[in-house]
Amino acid sequence: IAGITQAPTSQILAAGRRMTLRCTQDMRHNAMYWYRQDLGLGLRLIHYSNTAGTTGKGEVPDGYSVSRANTDDFPLTLASAVPSQTSVYFCASSEGQGSYGYTFGSGTRLTVV
Amino acid sequence: GQNIDQPTEMTATEGAIVQINCTYQTSGFNGLFWYQQHAGEAPTFLSYNVLDGLEEKGRFSSFLSRSKGYSYLLLKELQMKDSASYLCAVMDSNYQLIWGAGTKLIIKP
Repeated sequence: IAGITQAPTSQILAAGRRMTLRCTQDMRHNAMYWYRQDLGLGLRLIHYSNTAGTTGKGEVPDGYSVSRANTDDFPLTLASAVPSQTSVYFCASSEGQGSYGYTFGSGTRLTVV
Repeated sequence: GQNIDQPTEMTATEGAIVQINCTYQTSGFNGLFWYQQHAGEAPTFLSYNVLDGLEEKGRFSSFLSRSKGYSYLLLKELQMKDSASYLCAVMDSNYQLIWGAGTKLIIKP
């Protein structure tokens, strides 16, 4: 793999179910991010991690959790999905906090019904 | 609050020039970014401005005025493949990116 890999590409999920979106990068970037993108709105930051072992809350963290056990992986978990979490989710990484040139994964299109 | 404003949609003709404006109000400023996003794809990095002035990169140029909270992306010699959304983003004092909603650019032959 080269860059950032997200899985699954798309998913239809029943409300109330638990779901983990996967994100893996092979660039040894320190910082990683999860965004959601909704029509008419800008990318909104859900959670971020400036380095392995640390995480922080973004603009819209409620209903989501993350972990950063190592440099490469940054999974996003929806504990109990709700329809308002229907969105396109992008994982991104950068060399470090404040670095420019974020690299984005190809996205996960999630529909909660 | 923090705010990034850019037009929702613009239309231009193949071969022409188009300017996409972005105004911002943020808590601090550590640079302004432009990204391109084709429909159904991930955003890709286009340009970065941290000092006032014009940065040129091939057919694309980006301008910044920090005192006015203003930037523009200039696309020359438009090609059909330039049809995409263009996202303006500002890095705030906490080194977090604040994103505009994007400008959908439609290129007509």
